[in-house]
Order: sequence, then structure tokens, then C-alpha cells
Amino acid sequence: NAGVMQNPRHLVRRRGQEARLRCSPMKGHSHVYWYRQLPEEGLKFMVYLQKENIIDESGMPKERFSAEFPKEGPSILRIQQVVRGDSAAYFCASSPQGVAGYNEQFFGPGTRLTVL
Amino acid sequence: QKEVEQDPGPLSVPEGAIVSLNCTYSNSAFQYFMWYRQYSRKGPELLMYTYSSGNKEDGRFTAQVDKSSKYISLFIRDSQPSDSATYLCAMYQGAQKLVFGQGTRLTINP
Repeated sequence: NAGVMQNPRHLVRRRGQEARLRCSPMKGHSHVYWYRQLPEEGLKFMVYLQKENIIDESGMPKERFSAEFPKEGPSILRIQQVVRGDSAAYFCASSPQGVAGYNEQFFGPGTRLTVL
Repeated sequence: QKEVEQDPGPLSVPEGAIVSLNCTYSNSAFQYFMWYRQYSRKGPELLMYTYSSGNKEDGRFTAQVDKSSKYISLFIRDSQPSDSATYLCAMYQGAQKLVFGQGTRLTINP
């Protein structure tokens, strides 16, 4: 049973380019979360999605960042016109169908974005 | 003030020592408390989670929650070099949004 998959693992972009990060959740999981980890910091929540729906995007910067989780295919985190401050590790997590209470989030290996 | 405070360390102890890792939090609405382990250049993996105050033990690991003090701890007994990693506390806020501490970098010296 494959875990959460993220690609690419490493991504280098120049300032002003677009970065597109992909996340395939674990089989049977319908909930996806994106987190960002800046150097020497903990993970910060960005967005929570279910298939074709954004449930909570309270952690997303207002501009340049967007996320989607289409009916078919992986979840995509898109960063337009990247700046050096976007350099970070971006982690995706998935969980199974939500039930009341606790649902464990399983994390992928992350995409390390470097903006030159 | 951060919602979750965690001493980033680094913390270095000899093999076999008991390790104590701690976090404090400010939001009394947090209900679920997790400890994740993250090896360098890897994603976090869940070690333990607890709900409500009290202790939970799993092998060499014990998680402790004190809601009255808004304080959680992770104890590692008989620490091993393979335990060397960054340990992150995390808590649930609202609809499954995890709030993480900064992480404590731990090194176990053989």
C-alpha cells in the first residue's frame, strides 16, 4: 500500500516563474492537506481540500498561491511568480473519510522548493 | 505569541538516557495532541496521539497531557541513536487543521 506521494521531490525556480507541486494521497483517502515548513521552523497549515472542494484555506497567502484537488488526479499546489521567500519544504498529508473526532494525517516526503 | 511553543533545542544526550520533550499551548480548544518524528529530509511520521489529560504509553515512548496547565510531554526511555531526529508536537484545531510546534532537534550519542 503506497503512502502519500509527492513530486517533484526537489524543484528549482527562478524568481517570477511558476511552481507546481503535486500530491497523490494514499489509496482510499479523500482528504488532502498542504503544509509549509520554512527552515528551522515547524510546519504551518496552508489548505485543506476534499475532492473538488476547498474546505479551509485560512493558511494560504492571499496572492499567488492556489490549490486544487480535482475529481481525477493528484492535488496541485500552484505558486505563481515565485519569490525567494517561497523557498521552503512543502508537505502534503492525507486522511481517510472524515468521522467525528480524530483522523490521522499521513504525510508525504515533501517537495523542496528553491527559488533563485 | 505562538499558539504552540516548543524549545527548538538542539538537545544532545547519551545513549540509554531518558529524554523529555515538552510543548505548551495557549488555545484551550485543542482536543487532540500528537507527537511526530521527522528525520532529516523526510516527512513527519506520527509517533503517538492522545485525547484528554493523562498518560499514554507505547513501548519506550510515553505521551503526557496536562490540559489544566496546557502542557504536553513526550518521554523516551532507553534512548537509541536511531531516535535522533526532530520531534514535533502538534494539536488539532477545528476541522482537522494541525497546529505544530517548532520542533526539537534531538541527538542521541552512542
